[in-house]
Amino acid sequence: GAVVSQHPSRVICKSGTSVKIECRSLDFQATTMFWYRQFPKQSLMLMATSNEGSKATYEQGVEKDKFLINHASLTLSTLTVTSAHPEDSSFYICSASLVGANVLTFGAGSRLTVL
Amino acid sequence: AQSVTQLGSHVSVSEGALVLLRCNYSSSVPPYLFWYVQYPNQGLQLLLKYTSAATLVKGINGFEAEFKKSETSFHLTKPSAHMSDAAEYFCAVSEGTSGTYKYIFGTGTRLKVLA
Repeated sequence: GAVVSQHPSRVICKSGTSVKIECRSLDFQATTMFWYRQFPKQSLMLMATSNEGSKATYEQGVEKDKFLINHASLTLSTLTVTSAHPEDSSFYICSASLVGANVLTFGAGSRLTVL
Repeated sequence: AQSVTQLGSHVSVSEGALVLLRCNYSSSVPPYLFWYVQYPNQGLQLLLKYTSAATLVKGINGFEAEFKKSETSFHLTKPSAHMSDAAEYFCAVSEGTSGTYKYIFGTGTRLKVLA
């Protein structure tokens, strides 16, 4: 079955630094990937839709300059949290869909802690 | 705009008892509906999906859900709860045929199974 890998699973950084999270589709090509953010004991909030070879589409209220998304290949999308602050601490989850299949496969998530 | 409402943020059942997790949706187009399960610090795992075929959908781990258009509902059930079912459950809706597969998630229901 389709597998989505996220790396790192946990990351701790200092305030003001940037952190990159990778999302890879391991055994399929994904023209579209999605990035979600989940606060403790809350639901998933869609941040952006990442399209291979083009700019990401951000949801309302999500700062595109803060959360940089790059989808340079059909198997890799990256989310970079720039100038991270403690309020950016969260669980970030990516997902991807096999072309033609209306089912999202989710990565295991990346927990970001900003000190 | 699409939306999902999950009634009951916490549900407790005894081991062996019926599990019923409620989900109501709102969609201007025929929806695709999904149930996902999330274990602590992990990504989401697909339990089952409705994609306009049979209204009664069977998923993994003994779960099933019934799509009722008249009630705009897609409740998740399992005849007999097991301790390993304790987790967070999310209902999601998407437009399906748009090609972007953007999912909107409900707020989640935390299932607790009592011994």
